[in-house]
Amino acid sequence: AQKITQTQPGMFVQEKEAVTLDCTYDTSDPSYGLFWYKQPSSGEMIFLIYQGSYDQQNATEGRYSLNFQKARKSANLVISASQLGDSAMYFCAMRGLNDYKLSFGAGTTVTVRA
Amino acid sequence: DTGVSQNPRHKITKRGQNVTFRCDPISEHNRLYWYRQTLGQGPEFLTYFQNEAQLEKSRLLSDRFSAERPKGSFSTLEIQRTEQGDSAMYLCASSSGFGGTAKETQYFGPGTRLLVL
Repeated sequence: AQKITQTQPGMFVQEKEAVTLDCTYDTSDPSYGLFWYKQPSSGEMIFLIYQGSYDQQNATEGRYSLNFQKARKSANLVISASQLGDSAMYFCAMRGLNDYKLSFGAGTTVTVRA
Repeated sequence: DTGVSQNPRHKITKRGQNVTFRCDPISEHNRLYWYRQTLGQGPEFLTYFQNEAQLEKSRLLSDRFSAERPKGSFSTLEIQRTEQGDSAMYLCASSSGFGGTAKETQYFGPGTRLLVL
């Protein structure tokens, strides 16, 4: 079984600044994938970035980057140059190699201030 | 390239009524998932289809819940004798599963918000 912990219920960030969202996980699977999704108020879950447990480099996708520390079992999301449109709920999720379902954390609400 | 679509987007019903939701996945995706999300929480897995076969069901899926994917394309989720505790967002996701890898990305639809009065 996989467990995801997101300890920050809400965060405020100034426009154009960077913000880091914390995610720790627990699993017994030797191989797993970590995902971050964005959920605006409209409700749709939007895929942002993926990190594989055996990937040598931290994942990056545009303004999103993942600070993956395998030994600490953490996969923090960094959003650089925040924009007003980044205001949303952000979820960390994971799945094991032979596990089809995603396990999600409770999410972090990000509010970007002008 | 159309994404995952869900209908209806919103549903208000009275306790004890039956409701049915529809999900149309991305056309070439053979895997389809249903999740439930209550207010302030992350989505929780309900069930999973590979083509038309329902391969896994969560303990959350009580006997009042049934899901189908008759031709391996769209899927329906039915809740019978709804209860107030069924009020939630029901999310559908799909992925192109050819071999199991942890990297396989699930793409979500906009969800159906259910309110049981």
